[in-house]
Amino acid sequence: AQSVTQLGSHVSVSEGALVLLRCNYSSSVPPYLFWYVQYPNQGLQLLLKYTSAATLVKGINGFEAEFKKSETSFHLTKPSAHMSDAAEYFCAVSEMTGSASKLTFGTGTRLQVTL
Amino acid sequence: DTGVSQNPRHKITKRGQNVTFRCDPISEHNRLYWYRQTLGQGPEFLTYFQNEAQLEKSRLLSDRFSAERPKGSFSTLEIQRTEQGDSAMYLCASSLGVGSGNTIYFGEGSWLTVV
Repeated sequence: AQSVTQLGSHVSVSEGALVLLRCNYSSSVPPYLFWYVQYPNQGLQLLLKYTSAATLVKGINGFEAEFKKSETSFHLTKPSAHMSDAAEYFCAVSEMTGSASKLTFGTGTRLQVTL
Repeated sequence: DTGVSQNPRHKITKRGQNVTFRCDPISEHNRLYWYRQTLGQGPEFLTYFQNEAQLEKSRLLSDRFSAERPKGSFSTLEIQRTEQGDSAMYLCASSLGVGSGNTIYFGEGSWLTVV
């Protein structure tokens, strides 16, 4: 069974500092991996996805993530945090094989950005 | 592209009552998904449709939960005899195509509070 683990339910950074949100996956087959962002009382918005092409994936709002098979990780980074980045971030995995596109989500990391 | 639309956005109901949520996917998206999200957790997959066919419903939480997509367009999620534990946000999502790497777009969710 596939799963993702997000280390750290809360992360606080200063505005302008590096953002690093951690995600490790477990999958018996090559995975597709996703990062979604959720603002308060809203649905989820896709930040970026890994689908077996380049291991370094660039997304919206200056975020990027690197797929590391040896570490089973897909950490999300942004060089310089902005106040508007404060939100909940979810890592998700789906299986590459089969026709079902079910996503399995982590428990989320709440990012706080301080002045 | 008007996005995935869900209504009502908020519903407060008394325990034991039935509730129904509606989802309108992005036009021409053939896949439609329902997820549930409780406070402090990531979304949990419930069921999905390929056009009007419900291809997986084993993850529906109990036989009180049912979903339909009669004409392959909008979908409804019904919860019968609601319980307090059903209080959550119900997210609808849609995607185009059958690949597991296709982007899944989420609506803003329908909040259910059972009192």
